[in-house]
Amino acid sequence: SAVISQKPSRDICQRGTSLTIQCQVDSQVTMMFWYRQQPGQSLTLIATANQGSEATYESGFVIDKFPISRPNLTFSTLTVSNMSPEDSSIYLCSVLEGGYTFGSGTRLTVV
Amino acid sequence: GENVEQHPSTLSVQEGDSAVIKCTYSDSASNYFPWYKQELGKGPQLIIDIRSNVGEKKDQRIAVTLNKTAKHFSLHITETQPEDSAVYFCAASKGNQAGTALIFGKGTTLSVSS
Repeated sequence: SAVISQKPSRDICQRGTSLTIQCQVDSQVTMMFWYRQQPGQSLTLIATANQGSEATYESGFVIDKFPISRPNLTFSTLTVSNMSPEDSSIYLCSVLEGGYTFGSGTRLTVV
Repeated sequence: GENVEQHPSTLSVQEGDSAVIKCTYSDSASNYFPWYKQELGKGPQLIIDIRSNVGEKKDQRIAVTLNKTAKHFSLHITETQPEDSAVYFCAASKGNQAGTALIFGKGTTLSVSS
């Protein structure tokens, strides 16, 4: 299965700032997804990152708040913009290659 | 919208006992049902999955059963060990299109005491 490297693994950020999370895959994959996992909660899909076109966002998530880039088949970024404490979560990248594989996540704390 | 219900939310067993976690899904078009184990500070790890054309699948101490008519599927862990302690998530595909994302249950915290 694909190996995913996600950076940073954790960060503490000031409210009002933005953080960009990187997801690097060791093989070319067509489908990449971004999930959010709030403390003690399940995983919620933010968007599907489409290579060469705009991401497809789920209800409740908008591009202005969570802009996503997908410049090629091995890389994607998720930016959490204008952060507030409510954005404190684990953000996970996932790819579909056979099954769905997840990165180890980015633990974000907004203070 | 699509929904996956998971029960129980917490489960405590003695080492060597069996553990069963149950999930129901709402989208009759879902055709892929994976189970993930998540340990503290780590991302979810796939432990077993099943597709809609199969009723049961087994991998050593872990098995999954699927009842498409009732729209529910279950994870069975036999001979539990302390290292099985983790949070387990069930998931269902959003519909049956290739490359669709997953909808997750709320998770079950399994504690295995020795």
